[in-house]
Amino acid sequence: DVKVTQSSRYLVKRTGEKVFLECVQDMDHENMFWYRQDPGLGLRLIYFSYDVKMKEKGDIPEGYSVSREKKERFSLILESASTNQTSMYLCASSLLAGNYEQYFGPGTRLTVT
Amino acid sequence: SQQGEEDPQALSIQEGENATMNCSYKTSINNLQWYRQNSGRGLVHLILIRSNEREKHSGRLRVTLDTSKKSSSLLITASRAADTASYFCATDGGRLAFGKGNQVVVIP
Repeated sequence: DVKVTQSSRYLVKRTGEKVFLECVQDMDHENMFWYRQDPGLGLRLIYFSYDVKMKEKGDIPEGYSVSREKKERFSLILESASTNQTSMYLCASSLLAGNYEQYFGPGTRLTVT
Repeated sequence: SQQGEEDPQALSIQEGENATMNCSYKTSINNLQWYRQNSGRGLVHLILIRSNEREKHSGRLRVTLDTSKKSSSLLITASRAADTASYFCATDGGRLAFGKGNQVVVIP
């Protein structure tokens, strides 16, 4: 079975802190994704990556950056956390682009105070 | 970007009944996918239906796709308490776009 793990289930950070969310997949998937999920808004794509060291902006990239130095690891970085970044963050991976399902991690619930 | 929209938003049914959810979208797609999310957890892929398919089954799940109406439905037959979850449709027109989700509560 594909396993996608995220570094933390719950995280509390202060405004202005730099925050790292880590995601690791163990199935040699090419594609990895970061979403945030908010009530009433569904899932929104922040960034995605189709290859090592490659990244593409999603629908809401402002205030975030990503890093993919190894195929199995995709990190989301909040350079200076703000309260409006309080959310559930979901990482996902898929084998290839197009016609493939995504496998999700358990999520990180981030609270910025 | 294109986005699936599920209808109804919330559904409450008795165990053993069938649950039906609909999803509409606006632009052309390669495939449409349905996911389930249990409270506070990640999403789990349920089923993928390609644009040239009209119906697909997986266990107690039945998905239909009508590309002329740009809509899909997910039917869960003989529901169980464990089916209580949020259900999302996601349209793939190059990358996945998720709807806002359907909350389904199955009462034992």
